[in-house]
Amino acid sequence: NAGVMQNPRHLVRRRGQEARLRCSPMKGHSHVYWYRQLPEEGLKFMVYLQKENIIDESGMPKERFSAEFPKEGPSILRIQQVVRGDSAAYFCASFRDRTGEQFFGPGTRLTVL
Amino acid sequence: GQQLNQSPQSMFIQEGEDVSMNCTSSSIFNTWLWYKQDPGEGPVLLIALYKAGELTSNGRLTAQFGITRKDSFLNISASIPSDVGIYFCAGPVGSGNTGKLIFGQGTTLQVKP
Repeated sequence: NAGVMQNPRHLVRRRGQEARLRCSPMKGHSHVYWYRQLPEEGLKFMVYLQKENIIDESGMPKERFSAEFPKEGPSILRIQQVVRGDSAAYFCASFRDRTGEQFFGPGTRLTVL
Repeated sequence: GQQLNQSPQSMFIQEGEDVSMNCTSSSIFNTWLWYKQDPGEGPVLLIALYKAGELTSNGRLTAQFGITRKDSFLNISASIPSDVGIYFCAGPVGSGNTGKLIFGQGTTLQVKP
C-alpha cells in the first residue's frame, strides 16, 4: 500500500449530499483505478483513468457518479446526491507499467446516514 | 462476464498448520494476483504470477499459476496469528494487462493461537 494515498479515510454524509473522494497514485504512476467494496464482498471495478482521460468507465453507475484525473492534482471520485446504498469502501489503485500489478490505497469508507 | 471462484469461503485453523486455498475461472487469465486485506485496510499484493505452470514463493507463501491458465492456488505454511485476514485472487481483463481487475469473493482466514 505504500505510496497510494486516499483521503479522507472515513466520510459521513447525509442522503442527498455530495461525496468527494481523493486519490494520489504512487510517484511515477499515471494510471488510476477506482473500485468499490460492499461488506463481505470482493472489490468491484468502477473506472480506469489516465491523466486527463477516462479509459474505461464500464463499472460506473450512469447517474450521480463521476471521476476525473486532472493533469495536476489527485484523482477525484464524486458522488452526487448520495443514497444509503452508496455506503461502501472505495479504493483506488495505481500501476506504472504493463505488468497488471495494481497497488491499492487504504480506502475511503463512506457512510450515508 | 469473467468470474473468479474462490474456495474455501472461510477457514479456521490452529497456529502452525498449513493452509491452502484456490481460485478457478471459466476463462483464461494471463496474470494471477493474490492479495491480502486486513480489516479497515486496502488489499496488499502478496504474489504475482505471469506464466502458466509458474510456481512462486514469498516467504511462507507459495502460489502456482495453473497449466490451463484457468486456476491458481495459494499455500501458506506454518501459519501464525498475523496471517489472519481475507485473501483475494484477482486477474486483469483487457489487453496488455492494463485492464480492470476481477476479484474472487475472498477466503477469510482465522488462526487460533
